[in-house]
Amino acid sequence: GIQVEQSPPDLILQEGANSTLRCNFSDSVNNLQWFHQNPWGQLINLFYIPSGTKQNGRLSATTVATERYSLLYISSSQTTDSGVYFCAVVPGGGADGLTFGKGTHLIIQP
Amino acid sequence: GAVVSQHPSWVICKSGTSVKIECRSLDFQATTMFWYRQFPKQSLMLMATSNEGSKATYEQGVEKDKFLINHASLTLSTLTVTSAHPEDSSFYICSATPGVFYEQYFGPGTRLTVT
Repeated sequence: GIQVEQSPPDLILQEGANSTLRCNFSDSVNNLQWFHQNPWGQLINLFYIPSGTKQNGRLSATTVATERYSLLYISSSQTTDSGVYFCAVVPGGGADGLTFGKGTHLIIQP
Repeated sequence: GAVVSQHPSWVICKSGTSVKIECRSLDFQATTMFWYRQFPKQSLMLMATSNEGSKATYEQGVEKDKFLINHASLTLSTLTVTSAHPEDSSFYICSATPGVFYEQYFGPGTRLTVT
């Protein structure tokens, strides 16, 4: 099946810093989503971005489908940005469930 | 928009009993719903895919007789954990989508503890 690798696995930053999270995937995809999992386990949809670039406030994401990677940018980090960020994909050609990467655990220190 | 609910939020049951978890799409019709499981400090793993009115498709290694899935309508799917054992303790999360090439929306999850 498709492989999804996220880096870095852990990231500790000071409040106000910028960060870039990476997601590499091993095959073509129909769907790519970025999520933030809060401390209660709820997955918050950040971006649906199988290709192209999107921005939402301090967050933006870019997916280069031909090179099989996606990047999530967080600018001017706040302590509330702490948590686990997941990249998840649906392989091309199917209406399947998402395959998740292992996540990036982000800690923003005040 | 695009709200998915799950009930219950958490449940504790004794070994050998069955537990039913409901997943509802509140403001859209979900052609497909999915069930995932997440163990502590791990990622989410897809368990099964359910389409309204048809049998669920289970991922390799997931026992379909233990995890019964019913997708009775375009807004409701249920997961029943039968004869639960302590190793079934986990965080179960459902998602729903209006169709192919649409994003998936996740419920808040159900934390199951089997004693």
